Amino acid sequence: DTEVTQTPKHLVMGMTNKKSLKCEQHMGHRAMYWYKQKAKKPPELMFVYSYEKLSINESVPSRFSPECPNSSLLNLHLHALQPEDSALYLCASSQVYLGTYGYTFGSGTRLTVV
Amino acid sequence: AQTVTQSQPEMSVQEAETVTLSCTYDTSESDYYLFWYKQPPSRQMILVIRQEAYKQQNATENRFSVNFQKAAKSFSLKISDSQLGDAAMYFCAYKRGGSNYKLTFGKGTLLTVNP
Repeated sequence: DTEVTQTPKHLVMGMTNKKSLKCEQHMGHRAMYWYKQKAKKPPELMFVYSYEKLSINESVPSRFSPECPNSSLLNLHLHALQPEDSALYLCASSQVYLGTYGYTFGSGTRLTVV
Repeated sequence: AQTVTQSQPEMSVQEAETVTLSCTYDTSESDYYLFWYKQPPSRQMILVIRQEAYKQQNATENRFSVNFQKAAKSFSLKISDSQLGDAAMYFCAYKRGGSNYKLTFGKGTLLTVNP
């Protein structure tokens, strides 16, 4: 299995809703990432987990709450989002010592906040 | 801080022709890696090709090859025999060596392939 699977593919939520994005991989990668991507822009790093521990938080607002329950699963809990949070949210995974192998990305969740 | 610059917001190529996408980067590190990612309308970021800074030989993957000029800090991507399926946004990315996780992306080049 060489894929990163993200669910759901599309999500529309109100500003008072609570929702979660899910990411799963079975490649044995011990580093997992959340990226946010606005239209026609490069991805922006949000969080990095290494060995299931939060390693990097790029000063992301607390309305985004990551969780890594096990080595295969990464969640992003969303609460009280703003319309400007509408974006494509990409999950990725890699070996911890990334080297030349780059990341494997999922196909993303398109989030719309209304 | 490391920066990655893609100076061509958009490029177009005729099917079966060759196109080169440019990328320059700025770093003071000696150990680093460079990548080209492709993002088609399906949204998934796909790794096209990678290059280790310590290797002088340019990386090649089928129709994709790079021209890595370390002294000039240049890392261009050449696509030969362009196909309609090559149409996508292409991002150049840099990563420092070691266990540093962060990929620094350029702003991207939107490639159109004309039949």
